[in-house]
Amino acid sequence: TQLLEQSPQFLSIQEGENLTVYCNSSSVFSSLQWYRQEPGEGPVLLVTVVTGGEVKKLKRLTFQFGDARKDSSLHITAAQPGDTGLYLCAGAPTSGTYKYIFGTGTRLKVLA
Amino acid sequence: NAGVTQTPKFRVLKTGQSMTLLCAQDMNHEYMYWYRQDPGMGLRLIHYSVGEGTTAKGEVPDGYNVSRLKKQNFLLGLESAAPSQTSVYFCASKRNGNEKLFFGSGTQLSVL
Repeated sequence: TQLLEQSPQFLSIQEGENLTVYCNSSSVFSSLQWYRQEPGEGPVLLVTVVTGGEVKKLKRLTFQFGDARKDSSLHITAAQPGDTGLYLCAGAPTSGTYKYIFGTGTRLKVLA
Repeated sequence: NAGVTQTPKFRVLKTGQSMTLLCAQDMNHEYMYWYRQDPGMGLRLIHYSVGEGTTAKGEVPDGYNVSRLKKQNFLLGLESAAPSQTSVYFCASKRNGNEKLFFGSGTQLSVL
């Protein structure tokens, strides 16, 4: 069974601070996605990374896929209260991209 | 355009009762998924379907059955509910490959 471990599990920071969330596995993934989920809603896609070493930026969010395609990170610069939510990584096994395995999640709270 | 619609939104069952959760998507997507979400465990895949008339087991299939008789609908059944099945259930769909998952807003199920 392929597992994705996220750290930290919880994070509470002040507005304006920077943070990094990690998504790690011992398995190789063909691609990895990051989602954000707000209370009472389903997750919404932020980004998909496909190539080892790939870096993608979405405004203040920077996503990186590890060189070996086993891990990923999400860095948020100058966090804002609107960034509050549950962040989930999801990996597609190399055997096929039709089945995504989700990480354990990081719950972020940004205080004004 | 409704996207992915789940019914019902909330349900309370007694141990041993049965029920069916309905997921409907209007995007003509091939792939559909059922996940459950429990605190600290992210999203775990129950069953999925890669096309009309096909279903496959995910990570935690025991106690659940599914059917995909029509391309737009994916049904999740609990034949004899147990307290361990208390969870939030999410349906998702996607067109193909590395494309993003579209999620419904979830069904909160409590089994007493």
